Amino acid sequence: DAKTTQPTSMDCAEGRAANLPCNHSTISGNEYVYWYRQIHSQGPQYIIHGLKNNETNEMASLIITEDRKSSTLILPHATLRDTAVYYCIVRVLYAGGTSYGKLTFGQGTILTVHP
Amino acid sequence: SAVISQKPSRDICQRGTSLTIQCQVDSQVTMMFWYRQQPGQSLTLIATANQGSEATYESGFVIDKFPISRPNLTFSTLTVSNMSPEDSSIYLCSVVSRGQTYEQYFGPGTRLTVT
Repeated sequence: DAKTTQPTSMDCAEGRAANLPCNHSTISGNEYVYWYRQIHSQGPQYIIHGLKNNETNEMASLIITEDRKSSTLILPHATLRDTAVYYCIVRVLYAGGTSYGKLTFGQGTILTVHP
Repeated sequence: SAVISQKPSRDICQRGTSLTIQCQVDSQVTMMFWYRQQPGQSLTLIATANQGSEATYESGFVIDKFPISRPNLTFSTLTVSNMSPEDSSIYLCSVVSRGQTYEQYFGPGTRLTVT
């Protein structure tokens, strides 16, 4: 799977939008962009994924550039409970036959939301 | 989304002993995985648990150290054998649900400390 580059840490004020960038310049045409987060002492939580179109769900929006070499996760109104490590991951869905594409975690971005 | 439970949630074990971690899902799943998260680190995939056959291990992980069982579509176990302090980690079960191929979910994790 292609590697991703994320800032080590970011701060955001409560109530403001949090924009988390991710570079994935070597992404392949069949690789999806996934975002997970891990709140302290919990298992990772799925946030959103996309292939080439922008996506939105109840948690966040995902903006993928036209060349697909980078993306941004947007938390529209950050709260203190959004403080977590955010992981941007690229992966194929199926890696040959029925073999499922692996989720490979990098170091992620530590997002701190402050009052 | 699938609800995943793990037992035990945490344990303190002596070196040289073994611990078996259980993962139970509330619905049938197509894929089950085991991850390790060492202190202060990101997640690393240990293996894919295959129903009715031997697990598929990632580089650096072997069956003698981390035997895995998956007797049915909702249950799996991971054993950490002959433990040493370096095995102190959080061990996480992860699943892909039927009908939700794009999303992979994680359990709460088992925090293991080896003394």
